[in-house]
Amino acid sequence: DTAVSQTPKYLVTQMGNDKSIKCEQNLGHDTMYWYKQDSKKFLKIMFSYNNKELIINETVPNRFSPKSPDKAHLNLHINSLELGDSAVYFCASSQFGFNGRSKDEQFFGPGTRLTVL
Amino acid sequence: KQEVTQIPAALSVPEGENLVLNCSFTDSAIYNLQWFRQDPGKGLTSLLLIQSSQREQTSGRLNASLDKSSGRSTLYIAASQPGDSATYLCAVNGGATNKLIFGTGTLLAVQP
Repeated sequence: DTAVSQTPKYLVTQMGNDKSIKCEQNLGHDTMYWYKQDSKKFLKIMFSYNNKELIINETVPNRFSPKSPDKAHLNLHINSLELGDSAVYFCASSQFGFNGRSKDEQFFGPGTRLTVL
Repeated sequence: KQEVTQIPAALSVPEGENLVLNCSFTDSAIYNLQWFRQDPGKGLTSLLLIQSSQREQTSGRLNASLDKSSGRSTLYIAASQPGDSATYLCAVNGGATNKLIFGTGTLLAVQP
């Protein structure tokens, strides 16, 4: 019954590798997001998609490429992983999205802890 | 540029005490403000959402207030319990792109 799910939960990989994180929401929401939580626990937006259309790209290196095959899924592919990419990546979704509705509540997944060695 | 600050950074209280967590933001042009809790190694759980037109929201022992003009929100937790121990995050939604700007969080420990 998980509303927003992510796989994998943990990801350990070597520098230079390419990896993907998957996210799915079963809430019927129109908008999905990727956030990054750094080692100091600070959360920052990376991307958002509304109905498969990219809305936010928050000056993230182009090694990060989000892909939304449909509005229930938003995947994150990372090329040429670097040590600084180690973080927890959270997927989220909301019903209304970029129209900025005041009642638009965001729901988060459990996170994917990425460790680059 | 919107900046969100939370005070205190950490708080330890005995069980049963009422407590207040503070959140301040620099740009009052927001659509809403959300309070979350994050347990260690877990995701974020949405606690309350206050729309820009609202002054407060309540859920159980939690009450959140919003004063847009002064750029402040508070989260009041009544009769705290050890199970309330977590990091509490506030986040403001201030633009058409609907991104949340997060505060730095308050780490709460409720001692039995």
